[in-house]
Amino acid sequence: EPEVTQTPSHQVTQMGQEVILRCVPISNHLYFYWYRQILGQKVEFLVSFYNNEISEKSEIFDDQFSVERPDGSNFTLKIRSTKLEDSAMYFCASSDSYEQYFGPGTRLTVT
Amino acid sequence: GIQVEQSPPDLILQEGANSTLRCNFSDSVNNLQWFHQNPWGQLINLFYIPSGTKQNGRLSATTVATERYSLLYISSSQTTDSGVYFCAVSGGSNYKLTFGKGTLLTVNP
Repeated sequence: EPEVTQTPSHQVTQMGQEVILRCVPISNHLYFYWYRQILGQKVEFLVSFYNNEISEKSEIFDDQFSVERPDGSNFTLKIRSTKLEDSAMYFCASSDSYEQYFGPGTRLTVT
Repeated sequence: GIQVEQSPPDLILQEGANSTLRCNFSDSVNNLQWFHQNPWGQLINLFYIPSGTKQNGRLSATTVATERYSLLYISSSQTTDSGVYFCAVSGGSNYKLTFGKGTLLTVNP
């Protein structure tokens, strides 16, 4: 069964560093999403991406964040200058209609 | 935006017991999904159920869209059912999912 994959599974970085989180969506899906979950809290929407552009973004998704689909398979989330409060689990999801399929997540720790 | 409330926030069961988790939402939805977050933090997709009833083994779910709630039933619970159960919905022209705060289920042996 096709699945969404994410790399790395865990990343530790220092405050102020740039990080890139990678996702490979399900191959025939057209809609892509990033969500994050701060430890102990609920999952929050960050951004959705369709037809090579952002279709919606939340208040969390400020200028420090960017997304890109550099080729036909990868979907990336970049954080330019990480802050301590960016420490969270980041989930990628994809869909071809309403139902979304989630990847296993990347746990980002900012020290 | 759409609001999602889950109850109860915490639930402790003995192995073998049955349970019902509830999700209330504030507006009409085009998507409702139930997830189980395992101890490694992964979100396991249990059901896509914007309306109607589905069953998968010991788990079943019902969504009554006109009354804006969904129920997740777990029968004959096992210790491996422990974890957080999230309900997530989307509505209107949005596809983004709004998650509830979850129900923390603990199944004791």
